[in-house]
Amino acid sequence: AQSVTQPDIHITVSEGASLELRCNYSYGATPYLFWYVQSPGQGLQLLLKYFSGDTLVQGIKGFEAEFKRSQSSFNLRKPSVHWSDAAEYFCAVGAPRGSQGNLIFGKGTKLSVKP
Amino acid sequence: DAMVIQNPRYQVTQFGKPVTLSCSQTLNHNVMYWYQQKSSQAPKLLFHYYDKDFNNEADTPDNFQSRRPNTSFCFLDIRSPGLGDAAMYLCATSRDEGFYEQYFGPGTRLTVT
Repeated sequence: AQSVTQPDIHITVSEGASLELRCNYSYGATPYLFWYVQSPGQGLQLLLKYFSGDTLVQGIKGFEAEFKRSQSSFNLRKPSVHWSDAAEYFCAVGAPRGSQGNLIFGKGTKLSVKP
Repeated sequence: DAMVIQNPRYQVTQFGKPVTLSCSQTLNHNVMYWYQQKSSQAPKLLFHYYDKDFNNEADTPDNFQSRRPNTSFCFLDIRSPGLGDAAMYLCATSRDEGFYEQYFGPGTRLTVT
């Protein structure tokens, strides 16, 4: 069965420091992978996605993620965190079923940013 | 240029009183999804429509129903809300058959008193 693991429930970093959020997936074929961000009381916003090709993908707000098949990982990175990045981050794997496709989410990592 | 719109943003209902949440989209996407998200948890898919074809998740309670009268609108009906149904309800869309990214609305926060 497909699954997504985000091992860190809560991470705190200082503003200006680098960030890496971990995501591991279990999926039998080449996965579609996503990172979403959710600010308090808001919906989910797509940060970036990986479908195929270059394993380093660039997203919005200065985020990037690297797909590593050998490690079944899709970690999210940002070189310098801003206070506005404080939010919850969800990794998701696309599990096509029929022609519609469904997302399986990890449990999320809450990011706090210290001034 | 709002793409996925949910109304209302906050809804308070009484225990057992039916409630309807609304979602509309300007993307002309074929697929619309409803998720339930409880505090500090991942979104949980309730069901989705591919065009007019309704697809229910196996563990979605019968208390939850949905309607999609046209491409742009989709409704979530909770027939008899219980205290455990208090959550954020997220609507999302994706373009077409095959797999595409999903676009989410801002959510409706449902409180059951």
